[in-house]
Amino acid sequence: GALVYQYPRRTICKSGTSMRMECQAVGFQATSVAWYRQSPQKTFELIALSTVNSAIKYEQNFTQEKFPISHPNLSFSSMTVLNAYLEDRGLYLCGARGAYAEQFFGPGTRLTVL
Amino acid sequence: QQQVRQSPQSLTVWEGETAILNCSYENSAFDYFPWYQQFPGEGPALLISILSVSDKKEDGRFTIFFNKREKKLSLHIADSQPGDSATYFCAARETNSAGNKLTFGIGTRVLVRP
Repeated sequence: GALVYQYPRRTICKSGTSMRMECQAVGFQATSVAWYRQSPQKTFELIALSTVNSAIKYEQNFTQEKFPISHPNLSFSSMTVLNAYLEDRGLYLCGARGAYAEQFFGPGTRLTVL
Repeated sequence: QQQVRQSPQSLTVWEGETAILNCSYENSAFDYFPWYQQFPGEGPALLISILSVSDKKEDGRFTIFFNKREKKLSLHIADSQPGDSATYFCAARETNSAGNKLTFGIGTRVLVRP
């Protein structure tokens, strides 16, 4: 079946530092990957969409300078949170979509900023 | 403006009852509606989905009823079990959207009492 792995599951970083998270699709080829941030206040916020053979599209309030994303092949994507601050806390979710309509999520990377 | 609305925010049912979760949307272009189930500390798991060309989708104890004219849908959980206690998110996507951008509701927290 289709699975999406995310690593790490949890991470703690000091304010102003950066951290990288990874996403891997297993059992299917992810033609597009979406990165979301889930927080109690704002439910699911779409950060960016990455589609193979297309430029990565960032949503309003999110930039490549702050959340650089790499999507080198159909099974792997990574995102870095640069200069993390308190407002960047949350559960970062990777959603991968294959050839059909279904989008599968990983378990998320929970970011705590001290 | 919230494009996908869910109600109620929380719902408590007894084991064996049917839980009914409601969802409505604004964008007429939405044509794919997945429901996700999320347990604490985990990522959202795709539970069941429906395309706008259908008015009903059933998968075991889970049924989606869809009313395109009224832009409403509902998720029915028949014979609710304590293990169904989770937060359920209604989401929507339009076919022509690039990649896999889903718009989520704020979720309905379901508690099934034994």
